Amino acid sequence: QVHLVESGGGLVEPGGSLKLSCAASGFSFSDYYMTWIRQAPGKGLEWVSYISSISRPTKFGIDSVRGRFYISRDNIKNLLFLQMNSLTVEDTAVYFCARVSRNMSVDYWGQGTLVIVSS
Amino acid sequence: DIVLTQSPDFQSVTPKEKVTITCRASQSIGSNLHWYQQKPDQSPKLLIESASQSFSGVPSRFSGSGSGTDFTLTINSLETEDAATYYCLQTFILPWTFGQGTKVEIK
Repeated sequence: QVHLVESGGGLVEPGGSLKLSCAASGFSFSDYYMTWIRQAPGKGLEWVSYISSISRPTKFGIDSVRGRFYISRDNIKNLLFLQMNSLTVEDTAVYFCARVSRNMSVDYWGQGTLVIVSS
Repeated sequence: DIVLTQSPDFQSVTPKEKVTITCRASQSIGSNLHWYQQKPDQSPKLLIESASQSFSGVPSRFSGSGSGTDFTLTINSLETEDAATYYCLQTFILPWTFGQGTKVEIK
């Protein structure tokens, strides 16, 4: 079955960087778009970014992360990444890795990894 | 950006009751509207994709309808395990956007 496991979250000071990873299994990773979605504590869901099956195009949904966040993937190792730079307190959230279905829904989600930006 | 407005924000319901949650889009999005259930401290789970297609393994009491700007998620005969927050998501136009969520509580 589809399995997505995020890692790399943690506590980081404002201005710092983190690289999130998502290990995928149970499906043909290289055939699917993948996406990152975040959820600030006690808040709703916010779409961050997606990447096509062949790494281009990539799209971002939040103006404030463009130029700071970079999405990438390794179709050999079945890994999805989110490089986050110049982090601010507003980036504090659980970050979910998820698969984009053929119907352009987001059909399978990981358990999430918590990023806390604080001094 | 497309704004998705869900109503109500909160609903307290007795078991076996029918629940209806609506999601209204600020402009037409065809059928590119999907529904999710999120329980506390869990990741969201897909219930309905493309407005009305039930996702694999989802109980039949969950159904979706609508197109264009107005969409509905219906839970027939609510069960206690359905206590959760429900979100709609549109993937018709970038950026993808979510509704603000509807919390369903069991009385």
